[in-house]
Amino acid sequence: GAVVSQHPSWVICKSGTSVKIECRSLDFQATTMFWYRQFPKQSLMLMATSNEGSKATYEQGVEKDKFLINHASLTLSTLTVTSAHPEDSSFYICSARDKAYSNQPQHFGDGTRLSIL
Amino acid sequence: EDKVVQSPLSLVVHEGDTVTLNCSYEVTNFRSLLWYKQEKKAPTFLFMLTSSGIEKKSGRLSSILDKKELFSILNITATQTGDSAVYLCALRPGGGADGLTFGKGTHLIIQP
Repeated sequence: GAVVSQHPSWVICKSGTSVKIECRSLDFQATTMFWYRQFPKQSLMLMATSNEGSKATYEQGVEKDKFLINHASLTLSTLTVTSAHPEDSSFYICSARDKAYSNQPQHFGDGTRLSIL
Repeated sequence: EDKVVQSPLSLVVHEGDTVTLNCSYEVTNFRSLLWYKQEKKAPTFLFMLTSSGIEKKSGRLSSILDKKELFSILNITATQTGDSAVYLCALRPGGGADGLTFGKGTHLIIQP
């Protein structure tokens, strides 16, 4: 089955540092990948849609300069949280859809738990 | 703005019971409704529903969609402790936007 790998699974770092999270589709190609954020006891909220070879589309209220997205190949998207602060602490999950099967559901990575001290 | 409301938000039952989880929605342009199960990490896909009145079934789980009344239910029969999880309902819109809108989830606990 389709597998999405997300790395790292857990990050703890100091306030002010930048953190990069990778999302890879292991056995399929994904023109589009999605980044979600989940706060404790809350639902997944779509942050941005990552498009291979072009700029990401951000949801209202998500700062594009804060959350940098790069989708340089059909199997890799990265999310960089720049100058992270404690309020950025959250669970970040990516998903991807196989470009050959646009009607199929998205496949999710295992998520990255980000803790900013 | 698309909206997904799930109920109940939490539910505790005993092993062997049958549970029904609810999902109502508002959407401008509907493409599909999806159910996911989330344990500790990533959501795992359960069902995708696009047409009204057609039940999807997988083992002890089943789901159905009513596009006129704008809701879906997820049924789990003969529950087991391994069914304990958060069950998420999500909307996939039609048109250009493709990201999912999720409900808050139902936190289901199955007691032995």
